[in-house]
Amino acid sequence: GAVVSQHPSRVICKSGTSVKIECRSLDFQATTMFWYRQFPKQSLMLMATSNEGSKATYEQGVEKDKFLINHASLTLSTLTVTSAHPEDSSFYICSAATLAGAEKLFFGSGTQLSVL
Amino acid sequence: DAKTTQPNSMESNEEEPVHLPCNHSTISGTDYIHWYRQLPSQGPEYVIHGLTSNVNNRMASLAIAEDRKSSTLILHRATLRDAAVYYCILSPLIVNKLVFGAGTILRVKS
Repeated sequence: GAVVSQHPSRVICKSGTSVKIECRSLDFQATTMFWYRQFPKQSLMLMATSNEGSKATYEQGVEKDKFLINHASLTLSTLTVTSAHPEDSSFYICSAATLAGAEKLFFGSGTQLSVL
Repeated sequence: DAKTTQPNSMESNEEEPVHLPCNHSTISGTDYIHWYRQLPSQGPEYVIHGLTSNVNNRMASLAIAEDRKSSTLILHRATLRDAAVYYCILSPLIVNKLVFGAGTILRVKS
């Protein structure tokens, strides 16, 4: 099956620094990638949808200047958490839809971000 | 988005079948019923999806009510590795985006 690789799996950073999370589709081209955030014991919350070569579409309440998304190629999307603060600590998960029209999404293994 | 309702948690014994229910009384004619599961500290993984007819794959079976207002995910023989949060989601066949609800926490006892 299709594989989505997410890196890093875990990151600890100081408050005020920026953190970049990468999401790669390893064996397929993904026109669309999705970024989710999940707090402990809660469900996944969709943050934004990114399409290759165009600006991301953010869900209501998600700050686009704080969560920068770049989808520069059909196999790579990045999420940068700028000026991270402790309240940004969360589990971030990406997912991808295949080029041909997806009946299912493939998810990365997630990134646990801890901001001190 | 049409809403789904699932029990908060369920418990099963290992090697026994598990029936995970999902209610979706406001489902539209173009909505497919998708199931994903999330193991601890992992991203979700696809389980199964269907429209009207019951569906089977190597992971599970999906039984859909005739009026499509409810469905049941069936794990035929639960193992400890099936302990996860199971999400029932309504979406068009070609997935634009998936909106996750609270899901059902499945605990499997040995």
